[in-house]
Amino acid sequence: DADVTQTPRNRITKTGKRIMLECSQTKGHDRMYWYRQDPGLGLQLIYYSFDVKDINKGEISDGYSVSRQAQAKFSLSLESAIPNQTALYFCATSDSRDRDLTDTQYFGPGTRLTVL
Amino acid sequence: QKEVEQDPGPLSVPEGAIVSLNCTYSNSAFQYFMWYRQYSRKGPELLMYTYSSGNKEDGRFTAQVDKSSKYISLFIRDSQPSDSATYLCAMSAPDSSYKLIFGSGTRLLVRP
Repeated sequence: DADVTQTPRNRITKTGKRIMLECSQTKGHDRMYWYRQDPGLGLQLIYYSFDVKDINKGEISDGYSVSRQAQAKFSLSLESAIPNQTALYFCATSDSRDRDLTDTQYFGPGTRLTVL
Repeated sequence: QKEVEQDPGPLSVPEGAIVSLNCTYSNSAFQYFMWYRQYSRKGPELLMYTYSSGNKEDGRFTAQVDKSSKYISLFIRDSQPSDSATYLCAMSAPDSSYKLIFGSGTRLLVRP
């Protein structure tokens, strides 16, 4: 089984709808991240969480919210989806205690979201 | 100007060729350098991790960091069609090691 899973893998929705993307991990890592990937722009950080009670905005958090329900679960919500939120969304995890691979991030398989 | 610059390619090479992928960066505080490989419709997977300057070798892959020039490279020897993917460089600074700054990725195609 994959260490980092994301659901759904694909989603098509309409403008104005509320969408939730979910991420679960079995790696035992304390830190979790949400990124979006657009062609030619690389990966941009939306939100990150160091533990259940520590959630921080990334560089492009407007229009998004998150919830860290447990150490292993981190969900991303689009309260009112708009077409320019069409992108690939990735969840990632890292272990702050790993001194050999400082905060190396491990990615899930991604969610392809299309907002019409 | 982006903090990390990476040629998007695509880079097309014949099987068996030596491939050189590169990134330049502007922030001298970066100390941790990573290369990720991303196959189509998949998440990025960690390929190489390097701390500070120097070379690191793992099988057919060599990662090189030149901090004086703010330049990192990934070399792939004896390239295979299965190496066809997008390669992303990423880096971070010690005081914010969780904050990876990614290049936009170079698409590599290895022709049989």
